Amino acid sequence: AQSVTQLDSQVPVFEEAPVELRCNYSSSVSVYLFWYVQYPNQGLQLLLKYLSGSTLVKGINGFEAEFNKSQTSFHLRKPSVHISDTAEYFCAVSPSGGSYIPTFGRGTSLIVHP
Amino acid sequence: SAVISQKPSRDICQRGTSLTIQCQVDSQVTMMFWYRQQPGQSLTLIATANQGSEATYESGFVIDKFPISRPNLTFSTLTVSNMSPEDSSIYLCSVVVRVGGTEAFFGQGTRLTVV
Repeated sequence: AQSVTQLDSQVPVFEEAPVELRCNYSSSVSVYLFWYVQYPNQGLQLLLKYLSGSTLVKGINGFEAEFNKSQTSFHLRKPSVHISDTAEYFCAVSPSGGSYIPTFGRGTSLIVHP
Repeated sequence: SAVISQKPSRDICQRGTSLTIQCQVDSQVTMMFWYRQQPGQSLTLIATANQGSEATYESGFVIDKFPISRPNLTFSTLTVSNMSPEDSSIYLCSVVVRVGGTEAFFGQGTRLTVV
């Protein structure tokens, strides 16, 4: 079984400032890792994913995340945020074999202030 | 990739009634998933819908309350039965596509309010 911990329920930040959204996971098997974004009144959209290879993963909208196996973390970063980045962000993990059904963290609400 | 159309997008229902949510995928998929997202919380998997067999429900969810149909490889419905205000949530359908890696795709969600 897997579990995902997003320590921050809400992250306020000013526009053009850098941001990091934290995600830690636990699993007894090898996993794939994901970040999804949910804009108001919309479904979830994939930002980026780690399957294998380079531990630094780049996604859409200028986001990137780094897989750290020793710390079982997959933190999401963006060097300069925009107002339009205001949304809910979900970290997810799925087993790399078998059902692939993802387990989601509780979500982090990113609030970008002008 | 997969494009998922989900409807209705929102509804306000009286307690004791039922609502059926439809999910249409633009490609054939083996498994479809139904999630519930309660206010301010993460996604909780309700059940996995397989074509040609009964849905598999997660702990805490039962078929009488959340009956699911899966008549073919591109369509599924979730019914929320005998609703109470505690059922007010966003309901999302999802598929996992494994071509070129793996990724979950989601419908836009159905925002249900029970009064």
